[in-house]
Amino acid sequence: GAGVSQSPRYKVAKRGQDVALRCDPISGHVSLFWYQQALGQGPEFLTYFQNEAQLDKSGLPSDRFFAERPEGSVSTLKIQRTQQEDSAVYLCASSPARPGQGQPQHFGDGTRLSIL
Amino acid sequence: SQKIEQNSEALNIQEGKTATLTCNYTNYSPAYLQWYRQDPGRGPVFLLLIRENEKEKRKERLKVTFDTTLKQSLFHITASQPADSATYLCALGGYGGATNKLIFGTGTLLAVQP
Repeated sequence: GAGVSQSPRYKVAKRGQDVALRCDPISGHVSLFWYQQALGQGPEFLTYFQNEAQLDKSGLPSDRFFAERPEGSVSTLKIQRTQQEDSAVYLCASSPARPGQGQPQHFGDGTRLSIL
Repeated sequence: SQKIEQNSEALNIQEGKTATLTCNYTNYSPAYLQWYRQDPGRGPVFLLLIRENEKEKRKERLKVTFDTTLKQSLFHITASQPADSATYLCALGGYGGATNKLIFGTGTLLAVQP
């Protein structure tokens, strides 16, 4: 498909387990973003990649959260030792733009993470 | 603190009327503002972009205004249809310079009644 693809769509984990969420951006898109969306709220920025470089990780809530994009395409968001407050929808977005150009971000449908 | 506020309650309107959604912000000086539509269980979908030096933008039945003095954007849907029912998110960008990261409002749920 031509859009941003995220997997899995749903993930249930027990508190303390590690999880890995995958994002396949639109081919050729330079910028990749991860957002966290709690129920009834807008998405909140987590981290940003330009190609393989992680240029901004100011939104990651703790050192349990780690993201990578080793070849500048697919990205993985990893959460270690999950806690109940990590339950949310995790959205990935990509954009062809370099910083500052304001081009639209193309979002995937997210991974709904539930921590029991 | 930095804050983006949208209509706090759901907006219910009759089919054919104009829906007006508000987005107010404080403590930001964004270079641009974007509006997205989000359906249940789906990711946001981009609708319109307006830059700080633009007062108004139109696209088909959609119109957005941007007043940097009032720190407010208004989003209008004319001749609304039940298919327009969704959550609408405003997002500010371009304030940090280094990235295109967006700061989103909480969204407004629009329900268009047939």
